[in-house]
Amino acid sequence: GENVEQHPSTLSVQEGDSAVIKCTYSDSASNYFPWYKQELGKRPQLIIDIRSNVGEKKDQRIAVTLNKTAKHFSLHITETQPEDSAVYFCAASRSGGSYIPTFGRGTSLIVHP
Amino acid sequence: EAGVAQSPRYKIIEKRQSVAFWCNPISGHATLYWYQQILGQGPKLLIQFQNNGVVDDSQLPKDRFSAERLKGVDSTLKIQPAKLEDSAVYLCATKGEAAQYFGPGTRLLVL
Repeated sequence: GENVEQHPSTLSVQEGDSAVIKCTYSDSASNYFPWYKQELGKRPQLIIDIRSNVGEKKDQRIAVTLNKTAKHFSLHITETQPEDSAVYFCAASRSGGSYIPTFGRGTSLIVHP
Repeated sequence: EAGVAQSPRYKIIEKRQSVAFWCNPISGHATLYWYQQILGQGPKLLIQFQNNGVVDDSQLPKDRFSAERLKGVDSTLKIQPAKLEDSAVYLCATKGEAAQYFGPGTRLLVL
């Protein structure tokens, strides 16, 4: 089955800095990679996703890059703000059929004002 | 659109007791998932339904956990008897055309 590794487990940055979270996956058939943000005590919420037919996707201060050859993908947050503080989860899955994503263990991002 | 609803939001029980969680998916979403999220970890899939049929329950501890989705809409997850290590947040999620949408979760504490 799929195995997703996520690093770092904790990331502390100053407000305004950039933050990068990296994930690797094992199943070369995986072709859909969502990222979720989970604030303390709240549900995971999808913030951005990427499919394997593109290498990069951007949405305002958030971007995701994908390297299919190396089987890794990354989340980039620029100009971080205190409200970006949360746990971020990556996931990998085959889209279509029985969509069953495998999640990483999460990265706790702390943005210091 | 209305989100995924779950109840109760919190539950405290003693070990060996039983407990049940309820999930109401987003209208029209055929695929429903139950996840267990232990503190400090990512969600771990317990079971996936497509309408009222089970797609994957390979990680469901079937000696104590059971789940059903009889009419292909609401779903219940039951634990009987509960163990200390079952303390976690139980998340229900449903899938539309794109990604999953999670409910608020039920936080279970087993004493």
